[in-house]
Amino acid sequence: QSALTQPASVSGSPGQSITISCTGTSSDVGGYNYVSWYQQHPGKAPKLMIYEVSNRPSGVPDRFSGSKSGNTASLTISGLQAEDEADYYCSSYTSSSTRVVFGGGTKLTVL
Amino acid sequence: EVQLVESGGGLVQPGRSLRLSCAASGFTFDDYAMHWVRQAPGKGLEWVSGISWNSGSIGYADSVKGRFTISRDNAKNSLYLQMNSLRAEDTALYYCAKDTYDILTGNFDYWGQGTLVTVSS
Repeated sequence: QSALTQPASVSGSPGQSITISCTGTSSDVGGYNYVSWYQQHPGKAPKLMIYEVSNRPSGVPDRFSGSKSGNTASLTISGLQAEDEADYYCSSYTSSSTRVVFGGGTKLTVL
Repeated sequence: EVQLVESGGGLVQPGRSLRLSCAASGFTFDDYAMHWVRQAPGKGLEWVSGISWNSGSIGYADSVKGRFTISRDNAKNSLYLQMNSLRAEDTALYYCAKDTYDILTGNFDYWGQGTLVTVSS
């Protein structure tokens, strides 16, 4: 069981918007702004899409945005495109000795 | 261009040891914390261990604590993971990942392509 909870799957049609949630506790997501989101296509290494809750690395389309409310962080993808179909993972710093925790991952299907 | 190249994976029997290496280039290695993240076949990402820029702060997942040891050699721009008492459940693709800060934050902005570790008799 992962420390952060994500929905197993989400889907949307091209052009639509979807949101993926990532729920933790006050010891991780709720307590720190070190929340990141990663995109992983099959057979590829993960790619950083959002860091520190809402910051986008250069080269990541502005269709990707992040936010946080309490112990839940969210990734929103607007204007869905076929190439957005992938697995998405959230991660957070945690005050426990473990230091970093991941969510279980969400499979995004573009219909 | 940032490059992280892992090596050292392979097939190993349960109870044996393996040492992974990650060669870094394209950035000032000793300015950043580094991590190991693994992914079992068909499963999600699992953080394994991280080390700050000067090795002053180190963390481990509970699943590997006491068996794995992370280290770095800033003079060689290299990160290591010594894995002892390996178990079948350690079978995974092991990624080397760069943090965005010199401390452990869990923001991984660059990843290697991974090295596969298979623990089986």
